[in-house]
Amino acid sequence: EVQLVESGGDLVQPGGSLRLSCAASGFTFSSYWMSWVRQAPGKGLEWVANIKQDGSEKYYVDAVKGRITISRDNAKNSLYLQMNSLRAEDTAVYYCARVLADRVTTSPWFDPWGQGTLVTVSS
Amino acid sequence: QSVLTQPPSVSGAPGQRVTISCTGSSSNIGAGYDVHWYQHLPGTAPKLLIYVNSNRPSGVPDRFSGSKSGTSASLAITGLQAEDEADYYCQSYDSSLSGYVFGTGTKVTVL
Repeated sequence: EVQLVESGGDLVQPGGSLRLSCAASGFTFSSYWMSWVRQAPGKGLEWVANIKQDGSEKYYVDAVKGRITISRDNAKNSLYLQMNSLRAEDTAVYYCARVLADRVTTSPWFDPWGQGTLVTVSS
Repeated sequence: QSVLTQPPSVSGAPGQRVTISCTGSSSNIGAGYDVHWYQHLPGTAPKLLIYVNSNRPSGVPDRFSGSKSGTSASLAITGLQAEDEADYYCQSYDSSLSGYVFGTGTKVTVL
């Protein structure tokens, strides 16, 4: 069974740091792009970052550039999100997701998703 | 900020048909980028419903269908069931933002 399990969410003060992890199983992790997507309380889904199979390419939404870093360890089948200089607006459930595409698609999609981990930024 | 606009809510009686629109612009759907749809129940993992505009993953009932035209896309649910109560999101790519974008989300209520 293809599965993604996030961990590491916590309550952190503004300006603080946190590292999220996502453990992948049931598929060849090193063969896929991976992404983080978040959902703030009462809001919709927002793509945060994605990373290429070998980690050589990384892309971020403007709101997190310079503060958040995506990384992966293919030997451990794990995806990470290092979050620094956290702000109240970073409060959200963070999901990791596998990125899928076919030969002709112009826009990749996400499947599956993990169950999410909650990050709360508050004093 | 979402660049894909969806109605906040739609509702229907069991057995009825409902549709959810997803309106974009010339930098995303109108530029030819494919649209995908997800079903999300609070507290659970979002689930892929439709990929590449109109394709259903295995296991998704054929009550769910998708289409795309111009700068918009639509998700239709026929034979509405109580278990379909959830939030639904469209997703595409935006060339101006150089990133993936989601719709504003639509809550489906079964009356």
